[in-house]
Amino acid sequence: QKEVEQNSGPLSVPEGAIASLNCTYSDRGSQSFFWYRQYSGKSPELIMFIYSNGDKEDGRFTAQLNKASQYVSLLIRDSQPSDSATYLCAVNRPSGGSYIPTFGRGTSLIVHP
Amino acid sequence: KAGVTQTPRYLIKTRGQQVTLSCSPISGHRSVSWYQQTPGQGLQFLFEYFSETQRNKGNFPGRFSGRQFSNSRSEMNVSTLELGDSALYLCASSLVGRESYEQYFGPGTRLTVT
Repeated sequence: QKEVEQNSGPLSVPEGAIASLNCTYSDRGSQSFFWYRQYSGKSPELIMFIYSNGDKEDGRFTAQLNKASQYVSLLIRDSQPSDSATYLCAVNRPSGGSYIPTFGRGTSLIVHP
Repeated sequence: KAGVTQTPRYLIKTRGQQVTLSCSPISGHRSVSWYQQTPGQGLQFLFEYFSETQRNKGNFPGRFSGRQFSNSRSEMNVSTLELGDSALYLCASSLVGRESYEQYFGPGTRLTVT
């Protein structure tokens, strides 16, 4: 079982729709959960982080965390073509008394006009 | 505030050589992490330095090493390069914290090994 799993996609949504990106993680002791956006040829950019169960909203983005189900999601409302990118889920999983940042392989999102 | 900078941006090396990459974190950030990104393996954690000490290490061979200076700038070194070391090497900095790890990435160094 991979430590952080994401559907590779591509996920294709029309402009203005809600895009829903999902991520599961295997280590129940994981703390701190992040979503990064990576445009082709660019480095990852932090867009959301969440530490506690529930929802966290920032503009058009909402991160949802369910530790019991080991599940993190990212909702993008009113999707725009500029949101087309790969979205990376990252978790800090416990290792040797500290935490190791572990990334999923990413979900490709395509927002078409 | 200036972002994370990495030098050089592109590098071509021959198998068996060694290479040193440099990273300057965001001002005030004391933690610097290094990652390798490849199409086959995705983004993989190499190591993290905090206050000049390696705090965490990923599952990479000893050919990969790093260090951090008192001004928080960091370097990573890869010795005896192999073709499989061709990748985008990313540096990320964060303010503090063992749990938070809100990291900000630099533009990366694209290493090609021939």
